[in-house]
Parts: sequence; C-alpha cells; structure tokens
Amino acid sequence: GAGVSQSPSNKVTEKGKDVELRCDPISGHTALYWYRQSLGQGLEFLIYFQGNSAPDKSGLPSDRFSAERTGGSVSTLTIQRTQQEDSAVYLCASSSKSGTAYEQYFGPGTRLTVT
Amino acid sequence: RKEVEQDPGPFNVPEGATVAFNCTYSNSASQSFFWYRQDCRKEPKLLMSVYSSGNEDGRFTAQLNRASQYISLLIRDSKLSDSATYLCVVNLNTGNQFYFGTGTSLTVIP
Repeated sequence: GAGVSQSPSNKVTEKGKDVELRCDPISGHTALYWYRQSLGQGLEFLIYFQGNSAPDKSGLPSDRFSAERTGGSVSTLTIQRTQQEDSAVYLCASSSKSGTAYEQYFGPGTRLTVT
Repeated sequence: RKEVEQDPGPFNVPEGATVAFNCTYSNSASQSFFWYRQDCRKEPKLLMSVYSSGNEDGRFTAQLNRASQYISLLIRDSKLSDSATYLCVVNLNTGNQFYFGTGTSLTVIP
C-alpha cells in the first residue's frame, strides 16, 4: 500500500522567508510525527499528533516553528523567517499499533536548504 | 544521560562476517524496541521489532535484555547491501515517546 509521502522533496529558500512542508501519512494511521535530521546527526523530535488530542509540541526549537494536522490526516510544518541553522532534512512519520507496539513508518523527507 | 546510546562505529567488516551491535536505554519503563536501517540520504526504515523472547528474521537476530537494559542486533553472513546506519529505537508504548539512538555505521567490504 501507499507509504508516507512528503512534499516538496527539496526546498531551497532565502533566509527570512517562510516555508511550508507537507506530509501525507499512511491511511488509517492516527499518529503523526515530525523530526528533523541535520547532516550526520541523529533524529531530533519536533512534534507529535495523535487523533484529536492536543499535539505534543515539546520538541519545537522556537516559536518560528508550527505545525497543524487537518482532518486527522495531512499535516503541514511551517517555519517562519527561516534561518541558516534550519537547514536539515525534515522527516515525517506515521504509526499504528501492531500488537502491543507502535511501529513508525517514515516518509522520504524534505531536504531544506536556507541560503 | 541520553535515553538511548549506541556505539557510532564505524564497523568495517568483510563480506560473510558476523557483526553485532548493542544499544543501551535508560528508561526502565520502555516497552517496545526496534531496529531501523538508514541508508545514506534516505529515510529510516523499520528493520525489525525486538520481542522479549528474542526474534530472528533471516540473517538478522535481535535480542532484548531488560535486566541490563540493552538490545542487540546480530547480522550473519554480511552482504554488501547491509552497509548502512543502524538505529536503535525505544518507545514507552504511549505512542509519542520514541527515542532514537544516533546510529551505528556499518560498511561491508568486498
């Protein structure tokens, strides 16, 4: 079946501009996560959505970052007034419960470059 | 202290070798455990979940030691295509709290 999709795959933007990154989770998955990964680094948790519950925003690095999830499906991560340190790969994942465990499946990511 | 710790490597092994990775976690309440594989400039992909009794999938064997709070991944008969970074992941079974290790780099050499 269809996996997690993300768009755009690559985004180059000028410092100070706003960007929107989109994630389409696997159909039926109620949980959705955003991470970012800088070159050669591990995954950094940003935000988590579960059904209609309030999102866990504890990983957002600053108030320039926000995310929403409409209709419990598609999610958009917005970065305002981008800075060069925002350059990274932004990964979206969705999960379902398999038996007693949640298994996460990742999209291909959006590679953001801020010039 | 990090939630999940892995030896970053790199591990460089010849084809056909057996290689093992360990990972330790700090939260004793962790309930679910996974190994992910990440190829260069690609997204992480679920390799296998790790069950309490240990589990095997072809050349890959995963084991969990709750008492010592570590999980392991054993790869037998290494292939060139096994070259990747292997990520250890733990979850509290609350859905949102996945903790990722920084990964162990493996290169299989012809």
